[in-house]
This record gives sequence, C-alpha cells and structure tokens, in this order.
Amino acid sequence: LAKTTQPISMDSYEGQEVNITCSHNNIATNDYITWYQQFPSQGPRFIIQGYKTKVTNEVASLFIPADRKSSTLSLPRVSLSDTAVYYCLVGDNEGGSYIPTFGRGTSLIVHP
Amino acid sequence: EAQVTQNPRYLITVTGKKLTVTCSQNMNHEYMSWYRQDPGLGLRQIYYSMNVEVTDKGDVPEGYKVSRKEKRNFPLILESPSPNQTSLYFCASTRLAGHNEQFFGPGTRLTVL
Repeated sequence: LAKTTQPISMDSYEGQEVNITCSHNNIATNDYITWYQQFPSQGPRFIIQGYKTKVTNEVASLFIPADRKSSTLSLPRVSLSDTAVYYCLVGDNEGGSYIPTFGRGTSLIVHP
Repeated sequence: EAQVTQNPRYLITVTGKKLTVTCSQNMNHEYMSWYRQDPGLGLRQIYYSMNVEVTDKGDVPEGYKVSRKEKRNFPLILESPSPNQTSLYFCASTRLAGHNEQFFGPGTRLTVL
C-alpha cells in the first residue's frame, strides 16, 4: 500500500500562496494522487487529482515531479475560509479493491 | 441534487443498545464506504462495498456490521455499542473503486455512554 507523509500543520496569512507537500515514495505506476479538503464537522471534499506534471482547476494547482514520489498542492491567495485540514491520498488498486488511507492530513490555519 | 445523506446526524445512546446509522446516495454509485474520525487519528475506513451484496472490511471493522442489499443504501450497524465507538462517522460513495472522487455525507456524531 502506498503511504503518504504530509506536515501536521501549517500557518499562513490572507492573500498568501500556500504550498502543501506530500511524500509518497512507494507510489505505484497506476496510482493517482488526490487531495481533499475538510472543514470541522463536515465530510471531506474533493479538491484536485493528478497523475503527473501539473493540474490546475478553479480552486488549486497540483504539481507532480517526474519521479512522482511527492506532490505539492498549491492554494493561491488564501483567505480565512481556506482554514481546513487537507488530505493527500494515493490511489491503490491492489486486488481490484481500493482502501483509501486519509491519514491525519495537514491542518492549515489562515490568519487575518 | 447529487448527494449522500446520513441519519441520524446526532445520536446519544447507551452501551449495548443496538443502533443503525443509515446512508443513502442518489448518484448510482457502485462503491460505498464508512469511515470514523477521531481527534488526532484522521479518517479511518470501517467497511466498504464494491457493489450490491459485496462488502469487505476496512482498517477498523471490529464492532461494526454493514449490509448492501440495494445499490443506493449502505447502513452501518452497531450490534452492541461501546464507549470506544463514540466518534464522528462519515459515509462516502464513488462511481467506481480506485482513484475516483469520493462524495461524503454530512456526518453522524455518535456518543455511547
């Protein structure tokens, strides 16, 4: 099973760009990298997903280097409402099943 | 509106009193799962279902049961709840297993006294 490692917490200020890096040294060839956002007492919400290079949507960008052993979620110009826990997941299709490992995530606090 | 619903949203019960938390999705998703979330431990998967009548254990299945008799419903059953099952529970669904986007329900906060 591919495991991920991400910082426990990060702090930022409104208007800054935030980059959260996730390590996944054992990523498999067919694995995708997916990021979720979770606000307190709510279910996680899909943010972005990628396989290699760079993916961008209206919310964030995802940078994946050529070796795919890490990935970086980039949140441009954060606001107070971006304060949340961010989870990095690596897709695992062993045996035809998929058991996502969310881990503890990264708690991002955005200050005024 | 595409969504995953859970009921009840809040529940306080006593040790040993059987309870069921319902989960329903209206997106015709094949894959459904249950998670529990505890402070400092992140989300841990309890059970998952690949399709109707197909269920399997996740990381923390002890003390829980599930069933998948219909595609849209995936109830979580606690036959004899204990205080260590006090937690925040989330149901999720996705179109297919694998790396597809998961849709989560609003959560059920369970307290077992």
